[in-house]
Parts: sequence; structure tokens; C-alpha cells
Amino acid sequence: QSALTQPASVSGSPGQSITISCTGTSSDVGGYNYVSWYQQHPGKAPKLMIYDVSNRPSGVSNRFSGSKSGNTASLTISGLQAEDEADYYCSSYTSSSTNVFGTGTKVTVL
Amino acid sequence: QVQLVESGAEVKKPGSSVKVSCKASGGTFSSYAISWVRQAPGQGLEWMGGIIPILGIANYAQKFQGRVTITADKSTSTAYMELSSLRSEDTAVYYCARDKLELELTHGMDVWGQGTTVTVSS
Repeated sequence: QSALTQPASVSGSPGQSITISCTGTSSDVGGYNYVSWYQQHPGKAPKLMIYDVSNRPSGVSNRFSGSKSGNTASLTISGLQAEDEADYYCSSYTSSSTNVFGTGTKVTVL
Repeated sequence: QVQLVESGAEVKKPGSSVKVSCKASGGTFSSYAISWVRQAPGQGLEWMGGIIPILGIANYAQKFQGRVTITADKSTSTAYMELSSLRSEDTAVYYCARDKLELELTHGMDVWGQGTTVTVSS
């Protein structure tokens, strides 16, 4: 099972919106509505930001939203803030009854 | 509020095995999947496998098949991950994490342990 493909880095200015893509196959992202997104600050455990493609856990800002089209899922951060600077990972359930993470994206707030 | 607390850091020799524990407190244990995720220094997250304790069946990433064993003890609300035939590339932080919804390994992990550093060095 290969890692899902994410851009290595994405940047934006405060207040702007950015979108991170996550590309897989019909055996993972495209086959199930079980894509989740995680935020990880340096030295910290990951934090769940989106589950089941577009659902936000309680306590997660509504500036974070998720979507999916075909084999590609996306995470959009609107109204970018300094605290959003972190690494972001997507994850998907797979046809092998396993999970697979994306390659990770470093978000920089300019 | 459920918490996951992992065992302490380990230093192991190449070829040996390591067993990391993950104890849950403050919530339901048996019906939620526990996954193990590792992160090598400067690298991304890697899903190793998971188990739903009440079902007792573990699923493993193909990469780790035959080398990792994930178990759970319902009586102590503790999950375990044992990795054998260790090599330097297994040096990483190992996290346990609980799935958001019951009885499935699919919906995303919303509770994470603090991470355990395993160092493999001769």
C-alpha cells in the first residue's frame, strides 16, 4: 500500500485560504468516504481535524473544511492564522481493511 | 475524557524485539479500535496496524506483516504493539491512537498517546 500523495509544502498569508490535496486510488480515497486529516505541531502528537471526508470533531475551528472528488481529497483552511502553521497529513481507509497516511504537507504562514 | 498513556522510551539492539504498551483510562476501551502509528525522525506518519479489543482481531499494514503483533487486554484496558527483528530504520516515535467511532477502524483517530521513542542502535 503506497502512501497517499500530498504536496510537500503550501504557504499563504494571514487571512488567506489555502487548500491541501491528497491523491490516492480507487482502492482507498476514491473507494470510501473515510478520509481524515491531522494537524501536527513540532514535537506533538497529531490532532484530528476532519473525519469521514468533511466532518469536524467538536472543538475544531470551522475554518477547517474537507471535501473529496474522485481519488483526491482536499483540506481547506480559510482565514489562515499563525497558529495554523504545522504539518498536515491525510489518511484513508483502504480495500485491505487497513489505513494509509499521506506523505504530509508543511503549511507556512507568511 | 479518555486518555492513552504509553510506556517509556526504549533502546534496543538490532535483531531484538520491543513491546510497547498503551493504557486507556477515563472511558470505554473494548469497543474502540486502537491503532499504532510510527514516525521516524524528520519523516511522516506511518500506520502499522490496529485492533478492536472486543473483537480481538488485528489488521496490519502489509509492510509490517510477520514482524508486528498487536494485542489487547480488556481486563486492564491496555493495548500492546510488539515489533521484532528490529533494525536501525525502526528508530521512531511510536504512537497509539483510538478511533473516533466504535467498532470500526475507519473513521479517524481522535485520541492519541504521548508517543514512545524507540531507538535501535548497536
